[in-house]
Amino acid sequence: AQSVAQPEDQVNVAEGNPLTVKCTYSVSGNPYLFWYVQYPNRGLQFLLKYITGDNLVKGSYGFEAEFNKSQTSFHLKKPSALVSDSALYFCAVREGTGGFKTIFGAGTRLFVKA
Amino acid sequence: DAMVIQNPRYQVTQFGKPVTLSCSQTLNHNVMYWYQQKSSQAPKLLFHYYDKDFNNEADTPDNFQSRRPNTSFCFLDIRSPGLGDAAMYLCATRAAFPNNSPLHFGNGTRLTVT
Repeated sequence: AQSVAQPEDQVNVAEGNPLTVKCTYSVSGNPYLFWYVQYPNRGLQFLLKYITGDNLVKGSYGFEAEFNKSQTSFHLKKPSALVSDSALYFCAVREGTGGFKTIFGAGTRLFVKA
Repeated sequence: DAMVIQNPRYQVTQFGKPVTLSCSQTLNHNVMYWYQQKSSQAPKLLFHYYDKDFNNEADTPDNFQSRRPNTSFCFLDIRSPGLGDAAMYLCATRAAFPNNSPLHFGNGTRLTVT
């Protein structure tokens, strides 16, 4: 069965500094990995997904994610944080065997301070 | 714009009084999901449809039912809501192919049980 872990409940970063939100996963077969962002009282918005063969994936709003197969990680990064990036971030995994079930991590709240 | 629409945004029901939440989509996606999300926690999958094929998660209470009369619409019925069912309910869709297609979420219905 697949699972995903986000070890940090909260990440604090100053505006303009780089940010990293961590995610590790466990899945049989090739993983389908995703990052989503959620603003208050809204649904989740897709940010980016892992593309097989690309260790660095670029997504929306300047976000990117680094895939590391040996560490089974898919960390979300951004070179320069904005106050407007403050939100709840979810890592998600789906088994790469054609399954339909997408499982979400517990979420990491990002605070960007001006 | 193609989208996933959930109605109502806020729903108040009484303990034990049946309630129905609705979701519609203009994306023509064959897969639709219902998730329950409590207090900014990870969304928890309740069930999903692939076309008319219904898949119930093993730990989804019997109190929760769903209907999908056509591709565009999906309903979540809570037969006898308890206080513990108060949550945000998120509908999501995706194209069945490619397998790594992301989820598209509605803005959710926040259910209050009094």
